[in-house]
Amino acid sequence: AQTVTQSQPEMSVQEAETVTLSCTYDTSENNYYLFWYKQPPSRQMILVIRQEAYKQQNATENRFSVNFQKAAKSFSLKISDSQLGDTAMYFCAFAAPQGGSEKLVFGKGTKLTVNP
Amino acid sequence: EPEVTQTPSHQVTQMGQEVILRCVPISNHLYFYWYRQILGQKVEFLVSFYNNEISEKSEIFDDQFSVERPDGSNFTLKIRSTKLEDSAMYFCASRGMKGWAEKLFFGSGTQLSVL
Repeated sequence: AQTVTQSQPEMSVQEAETVTLSCTYDTSENNYYLFWYKQPPSRQMILVIRQEAYKQQNATENRFSVNFQKAAKSFSLKISDSQLGDTAMYFCAFAAPQGGSEKLVFGKGTKLTVNP
Repeated sequence: EPEVTQTPSHQVTQMGQEVILRCVPISNHLYFYWYRQILGQKVEFLVSFYNNEISEKSEIFDDQFSVERPDGSNFTLKIRSTKLEDSAMYFCASRGMKGWAEKLFFGSGTQLSVL
């Protein structure tokens, strides 16, 4: 079974600084997808960034980028120039369609607070 | 951007009562999902639905749960006899035919409180 581990329950960062959130996962699949979702206090799930395992290049979306280390099964999220609106829970998630599964497996989340 | 719509946003019910949570997925999507999140915990997969049948379900999705797509637009989750531990935020999600290369759209959730 696939598992996703986020080892940092809470983190804080000063506005305009850079922060990195950690995620590791465990799978025997070779083709899979990794995601970071943001959940603000409204509790809506917002996709931040996505990475296909077969792509070696790390995904980037504006101030958000990932460091995908396939051999180490690591998928960290870097937020540059942190803004107050980045304050939220961040969930790392995994999907492995080759195994025939349709589900997203989520980590327990990291609560990020951006301080003014 | 298109949206997945969920109603109601909040539902309060008595233990043992039946509840139906409603979702309107994005119109051209074909894969539909329910997830739940107990307060302070991670988001958990409940069930996936494709081609008018359940394609996958989790251990949580026992006989008390059922899903239906009654009219080609709505997608519902029914809990037959609610328990206190069913209190959670329930998220509906949908996506199109291109697999995980496509974005999975989540609704805003229904907060279910079982008293």
